[in-house]
Amino acid sequence: DAGITQSPRYKITETGRQVTLMCHQTWSHSYMFWYRQDLGHGLRLIYYSAAADITDKGEVPDGYVVSRSKTENFPLTLESATRSQTSVYFCAAASGKVGSELAKNIQYFGAGTRLSVL
Amino acid sequence: GQQLNQSPQSMFIQEGEDVSMNCTSSSIFNTWLWYKQDPGEGPVLLIALYKAGELTSNGRLTAQFGITRKDSFLNISASIPSDVGIYFCAGQLPGTASKLTFGTGTRLQVTL
Repeated sequence: DAGITQSPRYKITETGRQVTLMCHQTWSHSYMFWYRQDLGHGLRLIYYSAAADITDKGEVPDGYVVSRSKTENFPLTLESATRSQTSVYFCAAASGKVGSELAKNIQYFGAGTRLSVL
Repeated sequence: GQQLNQSPQSMFIQEGEDVSMNCTSSSIFNTWLWYKQDPGEGPVLLIALYKAGELTSNGRLTAQFGITRKDSFLNISASIPSDVGIYFCAGQLPGTASKLTFGTGTRLQVTL
């Protein structure tokens, strides 16, 4: 589905480098999320945002930075990449609108970014 | 953090068989969602449940929101090869807005 796109799809970097993963949605949904997916851990929340300029930590925020200057974009930055941050990263969006009560909690995911830190 | 216990972790079944998987928690959830993830892709929503006891179908898939609000079940009838993938449950805790807690997934393999 073209509603939420992540870039790049694949990235290889070196330890200590700064890396930014991009996420863009076309729906203007209020909520956006970043997850990492590792074997044996399922999806773990890194950071989330309830609206532009509002962000909050999730379960595993250390080593990551986010920003949300515009509703449609939610970049994730690894300030100094470490090998333990090798993972598949997913961005998701949810409407969060009371007006769409039944659908407000549904999160729609991007296709993911596979990051390798060497 | 809050954990959802999803079982089984993996299943190997033959084409045509029915499949059952479930998620349980010690906490009450307001919403239960079931997602499927194909290799190399992001999770895709299969079924959303909003009320305790609710039973919802989507083609060959049927899911239920447990009466206690602490569990949910997903059944797949007459499995086919394209059912292969990882199935995740996800729940929304009261007061957590649109945040979801995910299970660790059930990996389904279908043999011909």
